Amino acid sequence: QKEVEQDPGPLSVPEGAIVSLNCTYSNSAFQYFMWYRQYSRKGPELLMYTYSSGNKEDGRFTAQVDKSSKYISLFIRDSQPSDSATYLCAMSLHDGGATNKLIFGTGTLLAVQP
Amino acid sequence: DGGITQSPKYLFRKEGQNVTLSCEQNLNHDAMYWYRQDPGQGLRLIYYSQIVNDFQKGDIAEGYSVSREKKESFPLTVTSAQKNPTAFYLCASSRPSAGLYGYTFGSGTRLTVV
Repeated sequence: QKEVEQDPGPLSVPEGAIVSLNCTYSNSAFQYFMWYRQYSRKGPELLMYTYSSGNKEDGRFTAQVDKSSKYISLFIRDSQPSDSATYLCAMSLHDGGATNKLIFGTGTLLAVQP
Repeated sequence: DGGITQSPKYLFRKEGQNVTLSCEQNLNHDAMYWYRQDPGQGLRLIYYSQIVNDFQKGDIAEGYSVSREKKESFPLTVTSAQKNPTAFYLCASSRPSAGLYGYTFGSGTRLTVV
């Protein structure tokens, strides 16, 4: 079993729809949760960052973490064609080491149709 | 502006040839990483380095080599021992405790065997 599971999609939605992207994980020690957006043939860019359980909102994007269920979500409201990209979840624990590597999901390919 | 520069953007390799992918960062980050990305497989860690003159193997290090002689630079050599090198290669960097700050990625190098 992978530490982080993410449905690869593809997910196709009409413009203006609410999009829900999800990841599940197995390591209950994870404390930091991130979402990266990757456009085709580009490097991923950090989109959202959350610490521990709860919600965080930034414009049309909301990141949600449910540590009891080991489940994280990214919601996109009023989706736009420019949101079409691959979305990768990433997470990490913090055990006091000098560097804690991120563990990535496989990414979900999202296509927003105009 | 600070960032990570990967070059070249596209690279073609003949069978049996070694090639080197460049990664340079001016973010003053201590840690650097190399990932390979294949369709449907997400990001797979090849090598990472936490400090100058030190690096560790990731999950798929066979057929690859790296060096870290300068803080700013972390070149990746794809050797002839790598049987299936065609892929998209991503370099990333982070501060210590990557979980707190996340990674900054370069824009990638697409390597094709011809």
